[in-house]
Amino acid sequence: KNEVEQSPQNLTAQEGEFITINCSYSVGISALHWLQQHPGGGIVSLFMLSSGKKKHGRLIATINIQEKHSSLHITASHPRDSAVYICAVTDTGNQFYFGTGTSLTVIP
Amino acid sequence: EPEVTQTPSHQVTQMGQEVILRCVPISNHLYFYWYRQILGQKVEFLVSFYNNEISEKSEIFDDQFSVERPDGSNFTLKIRSTKLEDSAMYFCASSKTSGFTDTQYFGPGTRLTVL
Repeated sequence: KNEVEQSPQNLTAQEGEFITINCSYSVGISALHWLQQHPGGGIVSLFMLSSGKKKHGRLIATINIQEKHSSLHITASHPRDSAVYICAVTDTGNQFYFGTGTSLTVIP
Repeated sequence: EPEVTQTPSHQVTQMGQEVILRCVPISNHLYFYWYRQILGQKVEFLVSFYNNEISEKSEIFDDQFSVERPDGSNFTLKIRSTKLEDSAMYFCASSKTSGFTDTQYFGPGTRLTVL
């Protein structure tokens, strides 16, 4: 069973495009995390959300607790944004569940 | 900028052998984690560690696994009697406060290959 579902699985965009990655979850959560995994495998934490919206540079993350849904937006996408974006949630029992990731390729 | 480091970057071992994966968390962090990612699959939580004891663990983290903070800086994952299916990338992470609701900082990972 998948506690966290992401869509799309793969995404190709032209440089400059606005990108949206979606995450739905089925468990009660205390927090939702967006992570970026680089082609070399390294993982970077982008956002931790429990409500509302957060913005960092060209990245925006939103969460709707009632709908159990979060989105990650990238404005003015750039080839260096190419990576796998992972949604993960902490449930109320302090278990950590990861989505399968969205592989983003931004073409110059 | 402080970072989490892991050694070795790649470990090759024979099935049945014991391996120890090492991590040096960020120095003022108090919470430590291990995750694994089997090639082509999603990241999976193994264990969290705080105040010198396991605070949470997943179903994957069975008696084959153990964690330890042997000194003030290292955080280790020991895998006893390795199996082929233990081949994966293992990531260590740390956070100042509980990373379940705080930002975690990940190490670069150790690729474990069990032959």
